[in-house]
Amino acid sequence: EPEVTQTPSHQVTQMGQEVILRCVPISNHLYFYWYRQILGQKVEFLVSFYNNEISEKSEIFDDQFSVERPDGSNFTLKIRSTKLEDSAMYFCASSGRGTTTDTQYFGPGTRLTVL
Amino acid sequence: AQSVSQHNHHVILSEAASLELGCNYSYGGTVNLFWYVQYPGQHLQLLLKYFSGDPLVKGIKGFEAEFIKSKFSFNLRKPSVQWSDTAEYFCAVCGATNKLIFGTGTLLAVQP
Repeated sequence: EPEVTQTPSHQVTQMGQEVILRCVPISNHLYFYWYRQILGQKVEFLVSFYNNEISEKSEIFDDQFSVERPDGSNFTLKIRSTKLEDSAMYFCASSGRGTTTDTQYFGPGTRLTVL
Repeated sequence: AQSVSQHNHHVILSEAASLELGCNYSYGGTVNLFWYVQYPGQHLQLLLKYFSGDPLVKGIKGFEAEFIKSKFSFNLRKPSVQWSDTAEYFCAVCGATNKLIFGTGTLLAVQP
């Protein structure tokens, strides 16, 4: 069964550094998402992406964050200057149609630790 | 604003016990409701979803959920749990846009 994959599984970085989290969505999916979960808190929506554009973003997704589909398979989340409060598990997801009834398939997550 | 509440944060059951996990949502319009499960060391995966039709939805691994519109609820049930059901369970809602709003999750531990 096709799966969403994410790399790395764990990233440790110093405050102020840039990080890029990578995701490979399911190959025939067209809609892509990033969510994050700070330890002990809810899984929160960050951004959705379709046709090389952001469809929707949350208040969390400020100018420090960006997303990109650099090629036909990868979907990346960049944090330009990490803060301590960016430490979280980051989940990528993809769906085929992007409708509100469509199932979003999640990757295993990248645990980001900012020191 | 949309929100989801899961009242049980940690549930411990013995094998063969029945399970019911509560989920309530807050949203004024048409909602689509989901239960996701995360087994230890694995990614979030869909258990079941409701968007229209029969309010009693059956999912994988013997799970079911009932949408009760008047109570804004979408509780998850399983008549007899197994040790392999040990996992974290997340209720989520999708409203006018396709972003998922999650509850805090319920950790289920099933003792053999």
